[in-house]
Amino acid sequence: QKEVEQNSGPLSVPEGAIASLNCTYSDRVSQSFFWYRQYSGKSPELIMSIYSNGDKEDGRFTAQLNKASQYVSLLIRDSQPSDSATYLCAVVLMDGSARQLTFGSGTQLTVLP
Amino acid sequence: ETGVTQSPTHLIKTRGQQVTLRCSSQSGHNTVSWYQQALGQGPQFIFQYYREEENGRGNFPPRFSGLQFPNYSSELNVNALELDDSALYLCATTTRNQETQYFGPGTRLLVL
Repeated sequence: QKEVEQNSGPLSVPEGAIASLNCTYSDRVSQSFFWYRQYSGKSPELIMSIYSNGDKEDGRFTAQLNKASQYVSLLIRDSQPSDSATYLCAVVLMDGSARQLTFGSGTQLTVLP
Repeated sequence: ETGVTQSPTHLIKTRGQQVTLRCSSQSGHNTVSWYQQALGQGPQFIFQYYREEENGRGNFPPRFSGLQFPNYSSELNVNALELDDSALYLCATTTRNQETQYFGPGTRLLVL
């Protein structure tokens, strides 16, 4: 079983709709969770971090964390064509003293005008 | 802009050669991690350096090695290149007690 799994996609939504991206993780000790956005040919860009159960909102983005279910999600409201990218879920795993980011394979999102 | 820079941006090598990739850290960031991202996959952790010492390593063979310098800049060295080493190589910097890592623009390596 992969340590971090994302819904495989690709995911297409019309402009103005809500895009929902999901991620599950296997390490119960994990405490820190991140969503990165990656445009084609570019490096990952941090868009959200979440550490506590519940919702965290930042503009059009809402991250949701449920540690009991080992589940983290990202909602994008009022989706825009500029949101079209691959979204990577990442979990911090402690490897000795190193904080190691473990990523899912990503979900490719396309927002249709 | 994260303040993290990497060089070169692109590189083409042949199988068996050696390559050195460089990363300059964001000001004040004393911890650097390197990741390999194959096409269509998420980044995979190679190793992390803190205070010029390796303090964590992923599932990569010893031909992947690194250095961190007193100014916190870093190098990734890969010996005996294989075709499967073709990937985007990313460095990410942070401070010791911070969870968030900030990525550089990456170096795209092609091994022929």
